[in-house]
Amino acid sequence: NAGVMQNPRHLVRRRGQEARLRCSPMKGHSHVYWYRQLPEEGLKFMVYLQKENIIDESGMPKERFSAEFPKEGPSILRIQQVVRGDSAAYFCASSRDRGIEKLFFGSGTQLSVL
Amino acid sequence: GIQVEQSPPDLILQEGANSTLRCNFSDSVNNLQWFHQNPWGQLINLFYIPSGTKQNGRLSATTVATERYSLLYISSSQTTDSGVYFCAVDGAGANSKLTFGKGITLSVRP
Repeated sequence: NAGVMQNPRHLVRRRGQEARLRCSPMKGHSHVYWYRQLPEEGLKFMVYLQKENIIDESGMPKERFSAEFPKEGPSILRIQQVVRGDSAAYFCASSRDRGIEKLFFGSGTQLSVL
Repeated sequence: GIQVEQSPPDLILQEGANSTLRCNFSDSVNNLQWFHQNPWGQLINLFYIPSGTKQNGRLSATTVATERYSLLYISSSQTTDSGVYFCAVDGAGANSKLTFGKGITLSVRP
């Protein structure tokens, strides 16, 4: 039973480009959470999605950031027109149900903006 | 929102020593989890422990929900225990999103 899969592991973008981060939840999990980790800090909640629905996006920046979790395929976190401040590790987690017990994280995507 | 404070911020141990890591939170919680982030960045879920005590090998955790704190105990530490330990909580009505503390950086020396 594969864990939460994220790709790419590392992503390098120049300022102004788009970044697409992918997350495939654990088998049987239909709830996905995205977190961002800046250097020397804890993880900050960004968005919580179920299949085809955004449940809570209170942690998402209002501009340039979007997330989706389609009926088929992985969840995508999309950052348009990246800036240097977007450089961070982005983690995805999944759970079977709402009202999570244990949360399982993927290995993260390290985004570097040049 | 709920506040999570972890202490101490940094900890250096000699291999074989024991340690206690603390997590204080500012409000009632439905969910509390401890994570270990290894030097390669991987986050490992150690415990789901909104209350009570659990043990897993050399690690154990206790949460006293009424007093709003949790403790993670590491016994007979090993160099592989090095990394950052995070406490994360889900406040009541928080819609299942976890609020993380800033972490405790543990270095175990051989």
